[in-house]
Order: sequence, then structure tokens, then C-alpha cells
Amino acid sequence: GESVGLHLPTLSVQEGDNSIINCAYSNSASDYFIWYKQESGKGPQFIIDIRSNMDKRQGQRVTVLLNKTVKHLSLQIAATQPGDSAVYFCAENFGGSNYKLTFGKGTLLTVNP
Amino acid sequence: NAGVTQTPKFQVLKTGQSMTLQCAQDMNHEYMSWYRQDPGMGLRLIHYSVGAGITDQGEVPNGYNVSRSTTEDFPLRLLSAAPSQTSVYFCASSYGQVSVSYEQYFGPGTRLTVT
Repeated sequence: GESVGLHLPTLSVQEGDNSIINCAYSNSASDYFIWYKQESGKGPQFIIDIRSNMDKRQGQRVTVLLNKTVKHLSLQIAATQPGDSAVYFCAENFGGSNYKLTFGKGTLLTVNP
Repeated sequence: NAGVTQTPKFQVLKTGQSMTLQCAQDMNHEYMSWYRQDPGMGLRLIHYSVGAGITDQGEVPNGYNVSRSTTEDFPLRLLSAAPSQTSVYFCASSYGQVSVSYEQYFGPGTRLTVT
């Protein structure tokens, strides 16, 4: 979910479990959403995206679900691995341009071996 | 392709000093952006550019200048550094054709400390 103040929400899972990371977005006119993964000391990396005319999209071990009614986005990671440990950000785009992404504050995922 | 490159990786400045953070991309992307990331926060947009010669302000532009003289380069200038500008700075680029992808490609970041 979204963070409050300076503390990131955290999710701790066991290796092999499925993970679900949630995000509430702000603008009902947003037409595109992205999930990014950021490992410590690195820049964000693209994971998966979804347009507002879809409610589900699957990638390799990841699924993004979009619920426009409640402005909610989730990222599901199947069979979570230690290498999945990172901060995960959702970002939304509105206005038809692809240079004004608005990022959420992120969720820290820790995978325990 | 090197993707998006940023220099330097680390920098310490004294209050009042100026400097330029460099960003370059070799993917022929039209759009380039600068973000800052503070502890526990998401990325906040400082400035962006939709093409050579065109720049605009983002969410937190004060204290920063940009220019875009070529497609490849998008430097960020700190005019007079302040401790509030201590942050990690990320440059990103993306295609100009929205039908291709909205994905932004990020550089490795520059960690700036202002004392």
C-alpha cells in the first residue's frame, strides 16, 4: 500500500510464496500504469505495465491487476525468490504524455530464504 | 547500447557551490526527465524535455536548470547548492511515440550530498 510519512510499507515473505503488493493511485483520468523494481543503489527497472482499458496483464511470474472503480493497482509475484527483494513502485500517467509519470512512495519487499 | 548513463555517481558540495549532473542516452529517445528521490519517498519530477530545444518544469523545479541542445544529452544544473538538495538524482528517457511504450528507462543515479 501507500506509505505514510517517511516510512515505507514493508512486505516480508518466505521464498517460494506468492507476493502481492498494492498501490492506490490518485487520478481517475490516468490511462496507463507501470510497476518498477528498485534494488538497493540502483535505478528503477521496468517490470510490467497496463493500460486503463485492461484489468489484468500477465508477464513472467508477475501479474498486474487494475481496479478502476476503487483506483487500485496490485502486483502479484509468483514463487517469490530472494532476487525479488527490492522496493517496488507503482506509477501512473495521465494526459496522454509519457514523460509525466507520478510515482507512489514504494513498498519494500523482503524475501526470506 | 549503454542505455542511460549518469555522471558522477557520487558528489559532495558545499552550500552555495554550483555543479552540473550529466545524463546521456544512446537510444534516440525523444523524452528525457530528471527526478530526485529522497528517503522513504517516491521519485519526484524536477524537469523534463520532449525533444532537443524544448524543456519544461516538473513538480520540484526550484534551484535547478536544464537545457537540451542534443537528443542524447540532458544535463541538470544546480545553481547554488543547498542542503535541501541532498538527494539521489535519476535521469530517465523514453520514446516519443506513445503507441510504442510509455516505459521510462532510468540511469544508475547520482548521490549528491550538500554540506
